[in-house]
Amino acid sequence: DIQMTQSPSSLSGSVGDRVTITCQASQDIRKYLNWYQQKPGKAPKLLIYDASTLETGVPSRFSGSGSGTDFTFTISSLQPEDVATYYCQQYNNLPWTFGQGTKVEIK
Amino acid sequence: QLQLQESGSGLVKPSQTLSLTCAVSGGSISSGGYSWSWIRQPPGKGLEWIGYIYHSGSTYYNPSLKSRVTILVDRSKNQFSLKLSSVTAADTAVYYCARGLGYYGHWGQGTLVTVSS
Repeated sequence: DIQMTQSPSSLSGSVGDRVTITCQASQDIRKYLNWYQQKPGKAPKLLIYDASTLETGVPSRFSGSGSGTDFTFTISSLQPEDVATYYCQQYNNLPWTFGQGTKVEIK
Repeated sequence: QLQLQESGSGLVKPSQTLSLTCAVSGGSISSGGYSWSWIRQPPGKGLEWIGYIYHSGSTYYNPSLKSRVTILVDRSKNQFSLKLSSVTAADTAVYYCARGLGYYGHWGQGTLVTVSS
């Protein structure tokens, strides 16, 4: 299985801050990397697929980049409603696998 | 608007079989190209992908669960199901169904299954 390693495991930022999460794959996954947001008690919500494509309806302050083994997810201006846990997920190789999650909080 | 709704037993005894169904509305499970998946999340932990089925009936299961998992599709009822046998406390989780193309844009709300005697 491909291991997905996210960092940091948690972070705290002020409203308006630029926030970055990284996801590293244990082997080349080309561009097949997705990002999800999960709020407590809710199902995950797809934000970005194929490393950098913004899902319809998702605010443009969310962005993603990378290819191969190293990927980055950015919130350009952190908002109170962005408090959540964020997961990366690869789908280059079965079984699909998720990162362990990054919890984002507001200072 | 596509909607997915999980249902099934919320409490299962150890060694028994967990059974869940995902009802699909607002779209056909037979529409081509999509996989219909199960994903679970133990309380306070991360997401684990269980497996998928296509409308044709072809499946792929996570090798970590393969010997215990069965996913079936019922096109007449526009739903698909999950069976997980020989459950233990480690199978306690919120179980989600989802529609995907490798990425999952549609999820059910999730259902908590507790394994306990």
